[in-house]
Amino acid sequence: AQKVTQAQTEISVVEKEDVTLDCVYETRDTTYYLFWYKQPPSGELVFLIRRNSFDEQNEISGRYSWNFQKSTSSFNFTITASQVVDSAVYFCALSEMGTNAGKSTFGDGTTLTVKP
Amino acid sequence: GAVVSQHPSRVICKSGTSVKIECRSLDFQATTMFWYRQFPKQSLMLMATSNEGSKATYEQGVEKDKFLINHASLTLSTLTVTSAHPEDSSFYICSASGDYNSPLHFGNGTRLTVT
Repeated sequence: AQKVTQAQTEISVVEKEDVTLDCVYETRDTTYYLFWYKQPPSGELVFLIRRNSFDEQNEISGRYSWNFQKSTSSFNFTITASQVVDSAVYFCALSEMGTNAGKSTFGDGTTLTVKP
Repeated sequence: GAVVSQHPSRVICKSGTSVKIECRSLDFQATTMFWYRQFPKQSLMLMATSNEGSKATYEQGVEKDKFLINHASLTLSTLTVTSAHPEDSSFYICSASGDYNSPLHFGNGTRLTVT
């Protein structure tokens, strides 16, 4: 069975601070996908990143960066110089590869509040 | 722009009535779509996998007769909540991708309130 743990339920930071959202996963699959999604108050789910299990390169996209460490089964997400618009619930998710790639197991989410 | 369109975004219905939610892939064909449910302040839980031209595959604990899924074309899947009750009030969200190498796109969700 797959499991995703986001231990931080809520995080509050002041604008311009850096913040890291933790994600730890469990799976018996040797190949899999990891995702991060953002859910703003309006409710829609915004895709942020997908990472293959065989690609451990860290990725940076603007103020966002992701640290994938297979040895510790972690896929952490860092926002640099946070902004108020970053306030949202962030979900980490895990899925199989192949035709079941859409069947994702989500973590419980981390609510990030960025205060001005 | 949105690549998966979900309609309606909000619906209020009376207990005992049925509600249909549509999920459309706008610029790609999706042989498989997924339906999730999210209770307030909780995570997303997969309800079922919608397969074009065949029966949906439901997750354990999801009532097939209550949550009817139809995937009649490569761009449209519908979820019908039959004989809705207040406990069915939730946020329902669909997802789809063109193929398993493509990112998964989510619809904007439907907030269902059953009075």
